[in-house]
Amino acid sequence: AQSVSQHNHHVILSEAASLELGCNYSYGGTVNLFWYVQYPGQHLQLLLKYFSGDPLVKGIKGFEAEFIKSKFSFNLRKPSVQWSDTAEYFCAVNSGGGADGLTFGKGTHLIIQP
Amino acid sequence: ETGVTQTPRHLVMGMTNKKSLKCEQHLGHNAMYWYKQSAKKPLELMFVYNFKEQTENNSVPSRFSPECPNSSHLFLHLHTLQPEDSALYLCASSLKLGMTEAFFGQGTRLTVV
Repeated sequence: AQSVSQHNHHVILSEAASLELGCNYSYGGTVNLFWYVQYPGQHLQLLLKYFSGDPLVKGIKGFEAEFIKSKFSFNLRKPSVQWSDTAEYFCAVNSGGGADGLTFGKGTHLIIQP
Repeated sequence: ETGVTQTPRHLVMGMTNKKSLKCEQHLGHNAMYWYKQSAKKPLELMFVYNFKEQTENNSVPSRFSPECPNSSHLFLHLHTLQPEDSALYLCASSLKLGMTEAFFGQGTRLTVV
């Protein structure tokens, strides 16, 4: 069975700081990887995804993530955060065959202080 | 708005009640999902439907009963729930099973008393 670990459950940063949120997964085969964001009071929405190709993927709002297969990691990064990035961030994975739903991590609650 | 609508947004029910959650999407998606989001736990996949056929039941207790009459609608029928079933229930849909972006509804906040 797949599992996803997000190491930081709560992160507090000041505006303009750089961000890196860790995500590790356990699954031996080919995987599809996702980062979702949930802003306060809103629905989950996709930030970015990796299926194949360039392991450095860029998403919306200046976010990017790097797939490192040897480390089973898919960390999310942003060079300079804004107050509006305050949200819950979820890493998710499904098998490369794509025949199943997503397995999510516990989420990271990010607070950006002005 | 994601195009995935869930009703009701909030539900309080007793342990002996029977209620249903509804999810609707008009995005032309063929796969639909139920997830449970509890405090301090990861989102748990409950059920997966692909072209109206259930393809995954993640060891969910029988007091939760899904129904997918067509590709646009998904229900979760609830009966004799327990207080620990209180959670946010999220519906999602995707164009194809697994391989494409999932669009989520805003969820139904369920409280079992």
